[in-house]
Amino acid sequence: QKEVEQDPGPLSVPEGAIVSLNCTYSNSAFQYFMWYRQYSRKGPELLMYTYSSGNKEDGRFTAQVDKSSKYISLFIRDSQPSDSATYLCAMSVPNFNKFYFGSGTKLNVKP
Amino acid sequence: KAGVTQTPRYLIKTRGQQVTLSCSPISGHRSVSWYQQTPGQGLQFLFEYFSETQRNKGNFPGRFSGRQFSNSRSEMNVSTLELGDSALYLCASSPGGVDQPQHFGDGTRLSIL
Repeated sequence: QKEVEQDPGPLSVPEGAIVSLNCTYSNSAFQYFMWYRQYSRKGPELLMYTYSSGNKEDGRFTAQVDKSSKYISLFIRDSQPSDSATYLCAMSVPNFNKFYFGSGTKLNVKP
Repeated sequence: KAGVTQTPRYLIKTRGQQVTLSCSPISGHRSVSWYQQTPGQGLQFLFEYFSETQRNKGNFPGRFSGRQFSNSRSEMNVSTLELGDSALYLCASSPGGVDQPQHFGDGTRLSIL
């Protein structure tokens, strides 16, 4: 079993929809959680970085962590065609500086 | 501030050869990590360097090695290339302390013929 599981998609939504992207994990020691966006032929770009449980909002993006369920989510409001990309979740154990990534969910926002 | 720079962007090699990839981190960043990204396996951690020392290592064979220089620039070397080494190799940097998010370059696309 992989430490981090992520549905590969693809997920196709109309412009303006609310998008929900999710990851589950098995290691209860994970405390830091990240979301990256990766466009084709580019490297991953950091979107959100959270510690422990709770919500964090940045513009149209909201990251949510539920440690009791070992489940994290990224919500995108008012999705745009420019949001079409692969979204990767990542997480780490404190003090180890080693990151575990999900396999990525491909999102397509149709105009 | 310039981002993480990786060179070259594309590389074609044949089986049995060796290759060296280069990474210049964001200015002031002292930690550099390397990842291999393939469609089937996703992002897999190779190793991390901090202050010229390998601080963390993933589960790759010894053919994969790296080093970091005093200016924090890093190189990754793969010897005796195999077809399965075809991948996007990504470098990520962070300021250096633990528990800080990483920032990625655009990678080197390595193709083995």
